[in-house]
Amino acid sequence: SQQGEEDPQALSIQEGENATMNCSYKTSINNLQWYRQNSGRGLVHLILIRSNEREKHSGRLRVTLDTSKKSSSLLITASRAADTASYFCATQGSGGSNYKLTFGKGTLLTVNP
Amino acid sequence: NAGVTQTPKFQVLKTGQSMTLQCAQDMNHNSMYWYRQDPGMGLRLIYYSASEGTTDKGEVPNGYNVSRLNKREFSLRLESAAPSQTSVYFCASSARQGGSYEQYFGPGTRLTVT
Repeated sequence: SQQGEEDPQALSIQEGENATMNCSYKTSINNLQWYRQNSGRGLVHLILIRSNEREKHSGRLRVTLDTSKKSSSLLITASRAADTASYFCATQGSGGSNYKLTFGKGTLLTVNP
Repeated sequence: NAGVTQTPKFQVLKTGQSMTLQCAQDMNHNSMYWYRQDPGMGLRLIYYSASEGTTDKGEVPNGYNVSRLNKREFSLRLESAAPSQTSVYFCASSARQGGSYEQYFGPGTRLTVT
């Protein structure tokens, strides 16, 4: 079963606005990762936040993690048309040698020029 | 570095035909993965290989087999294709970095089974 669930499923905004996507998960994690997928392409890793971290920044990306609520959010500031893509959260479980990631179904972000 | 490469990019099969999807990575990663992506379903793990010489089932392994040929290559085989296997297939690889596994993806193979 899917571990991560993104919300909303689709988001449409104007260029320059901020975009916020949320992810909820069910079990304990080692880390949570966000990936971007442009149409017709493979996924690209954006940012990773470990279970003992609460917030992380990378350029225009800001990720928060609340392990008590089992949720994360991805904020893209000052969005651009090139940010149009699907965004997926993925969780890596805790304990042992857990090599696998479990992906959510994604949020489709459309940034209108 | 090419990263993760997949062949072919597109394939059309008839029901019952077999084929092998090829994947190779040049990043010296230990772990490799095969996913399928269907509309509205996100990515689902078919098989993975934690290291050379080992393979394990993922979430949706039925109808597929895999071979970890060496550290670089991980192939996915459909022995008798079915229309339900129409999908986009992604290969990925990863290496352990401080207990975390960030994955690198190939461009995908679009498979249609008629």
